Amino acid sequence: GQNIDQPTEMTATEGAIVQINCTYQTSGFNGLFWYQQHAGEAPTFLSYNVLDGLEEKGRFSSFLSRSKGYSYLLLKELQMKDSASYLCAVRDPTGGFKTIFGAGTRLFVKA
Amino acid sequence: DAGVIQSPRHEVTEMGQEVTLRCKPISGHNSLFWYRQTMMRGLELLIYFNNNVPIDDSGMPEDRFSAKMPNASFSTLKIQPSEPRDSAVYFCASSLVAGAQETQYFGPGTRLLVL
Repeated sequence: GQNIDQPTEMTATEGAIVQINCTYQTSGFNGLFWYQQHAGEAPTFLSYNVLDGLEEKGRFSSFLSRSKGYSYLLLKELQMKDSASYLCAVRDPTGGFKTIFGAGTRLFVKA
Repeated sequence: DAGVIQSPRHEVTEMGQEVTLRCKPISGHNSLFWYRQTMMRGLELLIYFNNNVPIDDSGMPEDRFSAKMPNASFSTLKIQPSEPRDSAVYFCASSLVAGAQETQYFGPGTRLLVL
């Protein structure tokens, strides 16, 4: 079956580092995405991993291990505006390249 | 680019009424997706099109839901008759499938409330 697991909520302090984990079990794999969604807004693209390793983009980094079905999103130098939901999504090529989203992790950044 | 455009942004209707949601994808994109998001179930894929052809509609809840994409620049999602449990935010997203990477760009969503 298709399953993507993320923690429901996390809290971190402004200026700190936080790691949001994602594990997945899908029929196939053709890339993993992280999206950010602020309350009341649409999801917006953050990162894409298709090969194992770390992809860095400014304050945000994303890691993938295909053999472990595992990814994490690392946010550095947290800012209050980073308070949002973070959605892990896997692109599954079986049945026509469907993208399956996790339930999301709500991150609260406190002063 | 204006991004993905959805209308209406908000819809309040009574149970039993027909609801039509509209989407204009980003020009040049060849895939279009309809999602539904609720607190209980998160973001669910309802249906997606590639080159205007429905590829996977397994997420469509039941026969009350239908979607069309008559051309590359327009799609509709229709609910008839609507029920209170259909209340949710409906997102349309589009993407350009080129090689391995495919980034989906989401519209602002339609907030539907069925009374």
